[in-house]
Amino acid sequence: ETGVTQSPTHLIKTRGQQVTLRCSSQSGHNTVSWYQQALGQGPQFIFQYYREEENGRGNFPPRFSGLQFPNYSSELNVNALELDDSALYLCASSSGPAHTGELFFGEGSRLTVL
Amino acid sequence: QKEVEQDPGPLSVPEGAIVSLNCTYSNSAFQYFMWYRQYSRKGPELLMYTYSSGNKEDGRFTAQVDKSSKYISLFIRDSQPSDSATPICHRWEGETSGSRLTFGEGTQLTVNP
Repeated sequence: ETGVTQSPTHLIKTRGQQVTLRCSSQSGHNTVSWYQQALGQGPQFIFQYYREEENGRGNFPPRFSGLQFPNYSSELNVNALELDDSALYLCASSSGPAHTGELFFGEGSRLTVL
Repeated sequence: QKEVEQDPGPLSVPEGAIVSLNCTYSNSAFQYFMWYRQYSRKGPELLMYTYSSGNKEDGRFTAQVDKSSKYISLFIRDSQPSDSATPICHRWEGETSGSRLTFGEGTQLTVNP
């Protein structure tokens, strides 16, 4: 059974640029949720996708957007990057909506915005 | 006020000590509670979950929920150096779609041999 994988593991961008982060969910899971984790903080919920539709969103601006594909993999897109977007971005998959069971996390993509 | 507040860290204890970690929450609609554990440079992994008031034990770990006080706790008995990580409390608002998921800020724990 393949776990949750994220890519890239590290990346550096400059302010104003756009970034796409990718996540492959665990086999059999149809839900992906995304989190932003600043250094020394807990994960902050961005949004979740259930069966290819956004199903729940946290307090993040519209420049944070996402997609889920038919194979349940997912992308997180962030436009007009700001310095405060520097963080670890975690993806988690689950076998149902993320509010109903265990979340299985990837190891994250660490984004640095200069 | 944050929806979930966790005891600030860091916390350093000797091997074999009993560790107590606490979170408080502000929304009475919260029904489900979990504790995740995050090792350095890793994603969080589930440690324990509960949805009812009272205690739930799993080996050296006990999760306690007091819904009247809106308080959740994690106890670790006979702590080991391998427990050195950041436990994070987590809750969600029930079964409606669009529910939001909230994590505490984590308490960095070091168990010294």
